[in-house]
Amino acid sequence: EPEVTQTPSHQVTQMGQEVILRCVPISNHLYFYWYRQILGQKVEFLVSFYNNEISEKSEIFDDQFSVERPDGSNFTLKIRSTKLEDSAMYFCASLSGGVSYEQYFGPGTRLTVT
Amino acid sequence: AQSVTQPDIHITVSEGASLELRCNYSYGATPYLFWYVQSPGQGLQLLLKYFSGDTLVQGIKGFEAEFKRSQSSFNLRKPSVHWSDAAEYFCAEGYSTLTFGKGTMLLVSP
Repeated sequence: EPEVTQTPSHQVTQMGQEVILRCVPISNHLYFYWYRQILGQKVEFLVSFYNNEISEKSEIFDDQFSVERPDGSNFTLKIRSTKLEDSAMYFCASLSGGVSYEQYFGPGTRLTVT
Repeated sequence: AQSVTQPDIHITVSEGASLELRCNYSYGATPYLFWYVQSPGQGLQLLLKYFSGDTLVQGIKGFEAEFKRSQSSFNLRKPSVHWSDAAEYFCAEGYSTLTFGKGTMLLVSP
């Protein structure tokens, strides 16, 4: 069964450093998402991406965040200058765009900012 | 704004007993509703979804959920819980972007 993959599974970085979280969505999917889950809290939407551009973003997704689909397979989330409060589990998801409206989630990347 | 409420933070159920996890949504029009399960250290796995039609939907692992518009609810049920069902369960709503509830942690006692 096709699945969404994410790398790395765990990333530790120092405050102020840039991080790039990588995702490989399901190959024939058209819509891509990033969500985050701060420890003990609910999963929150960050951004959606379609047709090589951001289609929607939340208040959380400020100027320090960016997304890119550099090569037609990978989907990346970049945090330019990490803060302690960016520590969270980051989930990538993809959606086929058909009638199922089912988002398939990756296993997540746990980001720890020290 | 859309919101999803899961009133129970933790629920403990004996193995073999029935289970009901509550979920209420706020969006007034026909909602797109989902239940996801998250095992420790794992991602989110879709259990079931409701878009329209039959208000009782069947999912994987023996789970079902019933959409009740009058109560704005989409409660998840399972007739007999197994120890492997211990996990966190999230209700979500959305057409494209998903709004999640805070989750209910299910503990299964022997």
